[in-house]
Amino acid sequence: SQQGEEDPQALSIQEGENATMNCSYKTSINNLQWYRQNSGRGLVHLILIRSNEREKHSGRLRVTLDTSKKSSSLLITASRAADTASYFCATLGDGSSNTGKLIFGQGTTLQVKP
Amino acid sequence: KAGVTQTPRYLIKTRGQQVTLSCSPISGHRSVSWYQQTPGQGLQFLFEYFSETQRNKGNFPGRFSGRQFSNSRSEMNVSTLELGDSALYLCASSSSTSGANVLTFGAGSRLTVL
Repeated sequence: SQQGEEDPQALSIQEGENATMNCSYKTSINNLQWYRQNSGRGLVHLILIRSNEREKHSGRLRVTLDTSKKSSSLLITASRAADTASYFCATLGDGSSNTGKLIFGQGTTLQVKP
Repeated sequence: KAGVTQTPRYLIKTRGQQVTLSCSPISGHRSVSWYQQTPGQGLQFLFEYFSETQRNKGNFPGRFSGRQFSNSRSEMNVSTLELGDSALYLCASSSSTSGANVLTFGAGSRLTVL
């Protein structure tokens, strides 16, 4: 079963614009992570936000977390063609703080047009 | 530092055959997790190994099995292959000392079952 549901499923923007994707989850979490996947390749970890944090920044990435609404958003500012990829949110499956058992959302496919 | 290495990258099998996939984690990482990715079901957790013991298991039939060796390298095996087993199989490793469950993924093994 999918813990995270992502919205939108697909997003197409022009280079230089901002991209926002949202993730909702069902159970309590220790942290929420975002990963990127280029077509047919492995996933790359982008950022982790802990349950006691509300916002986190990393370069052009900004992640917010609202535990009361069980939702998170990923904002990519000043997008580039190289940002074209699928983006997934992921949460822990069993409440443990240190396990490889993540539950991934269905992902948002982002296309950035040059 | 070498990344997570998965072999083979591509393989084609026929129904009823079995397949073994290999994963070499990042040096020092003791946790290895396996995921199946399909267009229909998305990313699904298969199992996780830590110090040669299965620590977590997903909801897959017994045809899917795995093991981990003393050097942390891991293999997964799928027996009696079905058409629906066609997927990208991703391996990820993580450090047990990081205090967080950030995964580093390999490039994946793409299995096609004919």
